[in-house]
Amino acid sequence: DAGVTQSPTHLIKTRGQHVTLRCSPISGHKSVSWYQQVLGQGPQFIFQYYEKEERGRGNFPDRFSARQFPNYSSELNVNALLLGDSALYLCASSLSGQNYEQYFGPGTRLTVT
Amino acid sequence: AQSVTQLDSQVPVFEEAPVELRCNYSSSVSVYLFWYVQYPNQGLQLLLKYLSGSTLVKGINGFEAEFNKSQTSFHLRKPSVHISDTAEYFCAVGNTGGFKTIFGAGTRLFVKA
Repeated sequence: DAGVTQSPTHLIKTRGQHVTLRCSPISGHKSVSWYQQVLGQGPQFIFQYYEKEERGRGNFPDRFSARQFPNYSSELNVNALLLGDSALYLCASSLSGQNYEQYFGPGTRLTVT
Repeated sequence: AQSVTQLDSQVPVFEEAPVELRCNYSSSVSVYLFWYVQYPNQGLQLLLKYLSGSTLVKGINGFEAEFNKSQTSFHLRKPSVHISDTAEYFCAVGNTGGFKTIFGAGTRLFVKA
C-alpha cells in the first residue's frame, strides 16, 4: 500500500509570493495534520483536518490556511511568504481524528529567498 | 499548556552499547506520549506510544520507554545500539482531544563503530 505522499518534494519561492503544498493520506485514513519543521527543531503543529473539518490549529498566522477535499487529500496554502517560512512541511495521516498513530509523509522542502 | 523537553541535543554512543534518550513533559491533564524517529531526508516514523495501561512500552527496532508520572518523564532506551540507529529522535505529547501533537526539539543519536 502507498504511504502518505506529498508534492512537490522541493520548492523555491520569493518573499511575498504564495505557495500551495499537497498531501494524499493513506487509503482509508480520514485525518490529515500539517507540521512545520524548521532546520534543527522539532515539528510544529499547524492544522488538523478530519472529515473535511478543521479540528485544531496551532500558533500560526492567518497567512497559513488549509483545506481537505472529499477524497481526504489536503492542501496547505501560505500567503505573503517570509524568509522565516523556509522549512520542511510535513503531512501526517491517521485513521480517525485521534492522532494516536500518525503516518508521516517525506515532506516538502520550501525555501523562501 | 503542554510542552516537551528533550534534555540532550546530541548523544554519541559506541555500537552495541546501551543508550537512554531523556524526555520530560509538562501537562495539566492526562497525556498521551510518543517517540518518533527521523532518518536523514525522510519523514517521521512512530517508534512507540503510551496511551494507558502498563508504564513500560515496547516499540519497534528493540526500543522501549517507561512512563513515569511522578517525574513527568518518558525516557527512551535500547540495550544495544547499531550503526543503523543513527538518526534524530523526537519525543511528543498529545492532547486529550487527540488532534494536536507537541514535539520536543529532538535528540540526535550518533552511533560510532
